[in-house]
Amino acid sequence: DGGITQSPKYLFRKEGQNVTLSCEQNLNHDAMYWYRQDPGQGLRLIYYSQIVNDFQKGDIAEGYSVSREKKESFPLTVTSAQKNPTAFYLCASRADRSPEAFFGQGTRLTVV
Amino acid sequence: AQTVTQSQPEMSVQEAETVTLSCTYDTSESDYYLFWYKQPPSRQMILVIRQEAYKQQNATENRFSVNFQKAAKSFSLKISDSQLGDAAMYFCAYRSQNSGTYKYIFGTGTRLKVLA
Repeated sequence: DGGITQSPKYLFRKEGQNVTLSCEQNLNHDAMYWYRQDPGQGLRLIYYSQIVNDFQKGDIAEGYSVSREKKESFPLTVTSAQKNPTAFYLCASRADRSPEAFFGQGTRLTVV
Repeated sequence: AQTVTQSQPEMSVQEAETVTLSCTYDTSESDYYLFWYKQPPSRQMILVIRQEAYKQQNATENRFSVNFQKAAKSFSLKISDSQLGDAAMYFCAYRSQNSGTYKYIFGTGTRLKVLA
């Protein structure tokens, strides 16, 4: 089945530790996105990538890093510099010349 | 910068009735897309409907239809014959059609409750 897979579904980390969230897609989509969702704030863009080996900061990139070494993979690292990392993280992808984005099932990150 | 506003944090509708969710946006562009996404309790974001700004005709997908008013920058979603499975968060989203601007901008969402 084609789709976007985010793993793990739930992730717990201690404060001060870096953590990497996985996002893999087998849809052959060119563009990929990371969004953060907090209650009452909708979805806010962290990073996006339109082609391999290229990515751009979104509106809330501070404390996060990404890589795009393969078309199908766009991992997000939440660093210790991110002051409020506890949130729900959504990965999305879009085919070239297609209007809509498709989303993974999300990862709930809790930092204690 | 573009913005999307959903002014209704929560709405309720009786099963089998019709409900309209509101969305307004701000942009200086003329070519763009607008979307409604549904997020059920599973938190999987599901595309409900899409509208291209250059099309005057309102988009329709089964029980879901939009009222797109380009001059007023308004994009409401009408759900007819509401079902219990329609209960979810609904997000309005905007994306420019301009080359190089591929970000999706989301509103804060409307929680829809469906009463049996």
